[in-house]
Amino acid sequence: KQEVTQIPAALSVPEGENLVLNCSFTDSAIYNLQWFRQDPGKGLTSLLLIQSSQREQTSGRLNASLDKSSGRSTLYIAASQPGDSATYLCAVRLIEYGGSARQLTFGSGTQLTVLP
Amino acid sequence: KAGVTQTPRYLIKTRGQQVTLSCSPISGHRSVSWYQQTPGQGLQFLFEYFSETQRNKGNFPGRFSGRQFSNSRSEMNVSTLELGDSALYLCASSSWGGANSPLHFGNGTRLTVT
Repeated sequence: KQEVTQIPAALSVPEGENLVLNCSFTDSAIYNLQWFRQDPGKGLTSLLLIQSSQREQTSGRLNASLDKSSGRSTLYIAASQPGDSATYLCAVRLIEYGGSARQLTFGSGTQLTVLP
Repeated sequence: KAGVTQTPRYLIKTRGQQVTLSCSPISGHRSVSWYQQTPGQGLQFLFEYFSETQRNKGNFPGRFSGRQFSNSRSEMNVSTLELGDSALYLCASSSWGGANSPLHFGNGTRLTVT
């Protein structure tokens, strides 16, 4: 069974700092990996999607990397701002027998607080 | 373009009752997925619908059911509610439901069972 782990569970940093969020998964037969952001009481916003054949994706101040062989992904946030405060979740989509894709399996998230 | 709309935003029910939650996907999207989010279990997949057909189902009891209409709107139903069903229920839509199709989530329905 695929397990997705995010460490740390919570992180507090001063504004302007660069930071890295970690995600690890146990089954390397993944179709893709996605990073989401969730604000309190809200749904999830998709940030980046990395296909299994890719090593990284970038969007603005965000950069996500994927190392399938080690079962790890990182989300790098440059020059953090108070508006980045939210819970960040990673999710993997496994490959099923026959090559089709299964549903997303989520990590428990990292709650990020950026202090002004 | 309007996002994914979930109604109602909040619900309070008592044990044993049943509840129906509604989800309107982004216009043109044909795939709708449902997830349950709790502090203890995190986000767990319930089911996915594509063109009115259930394409995938998570490990939830038969009390949890869903359907999708011809206009892609979806409903999920929970019968014989239990205290443990208290959760944020999230709906997500995608255009064609392919594995690399980004998911767009609604703001969820917060269900409280007393």
